[in-house]
Amino acid sequence: AQSVTQLDSQVPVFEEAPVELRCNYSSSVSVYLFWYVQYPNQGLQLLLKYLSGSTLVESINGFEAEFNKSQTSFHLRKPSVHISDTAEYFCAVSDKSQGAQKLVFGQGTRLTINP
Amino acid sequence: GAGVSQSPRYKVAKRGQDVALRCDPISGHVSLFWYQQALGQGPEFLTYFQNEAQLDKSGLPSDRFFAERPEGSVSTLKIQRTQQEDSAVYLCASSEPLYGYTFGSGTRLTVV
Repeated sequence: AQSVTQLDSQVPVFEEAPVELRCNYSSSVSVYLFWYVQYPNQGLQLLLKYLSGSTLVESINGFEAEFNKSQTSFHLRKPSVHISDTAEYFCAVSDKSQGAQKLVFGQGTRLTINP
Repeated sequence: GAGVSQSPRYKVAKRGQDVALRCDPISGHVSLFWYQQALGQGPEFLTYFQNEAQLDKSGLPSDRFFAERPEGSVSTLKIQRTQQEDSAVYLCASSEPLYGYTFGSGTRLTVV
């Protein structure tokens, strides 16, 4: 069965600093990968996704993630964070061989931006 | 509607009480999912519907959990004889083919 590991439960950074949130998944023949963001008292929102093609995917608010098949990773990065990026971030994977309907989530990384 | 709507937003149940949680998916979305998110954890899959058919219920933790979607639209997750370990946020999501998941805001269930 698929599993997702988010190596950091909490990441504190200063505003305008770069950040990387790490995500590794268990090996599979082929997967789809996602990052979701959960702002306080809100539902999960899709941040970005990798389905196929270019291994570097970007969101509209400056985040990017790179699919690395050899390292089974999908780390999320942003070169300069803002206070408004404070949220919980979840990495998720779905297995193409199982119809890619079910998402398996990591435990989440709480990103805290300090002024 | 514009998004996935879940009700109630909060539910406090006494241990042993039955509860029903409702999900209104985005109109026209074929697939509907339920997830359970315990405090400090990522969401965990419970069950999946395609239209009215429940295609996967492998994540339901016990036979006290039951989900239905009789007309292929609104879905209800029912928990019988609630226990303290059932306390969690229950998330519903609907999607179109090719992974357009949209999550609702969830129902926070507290069993006392």
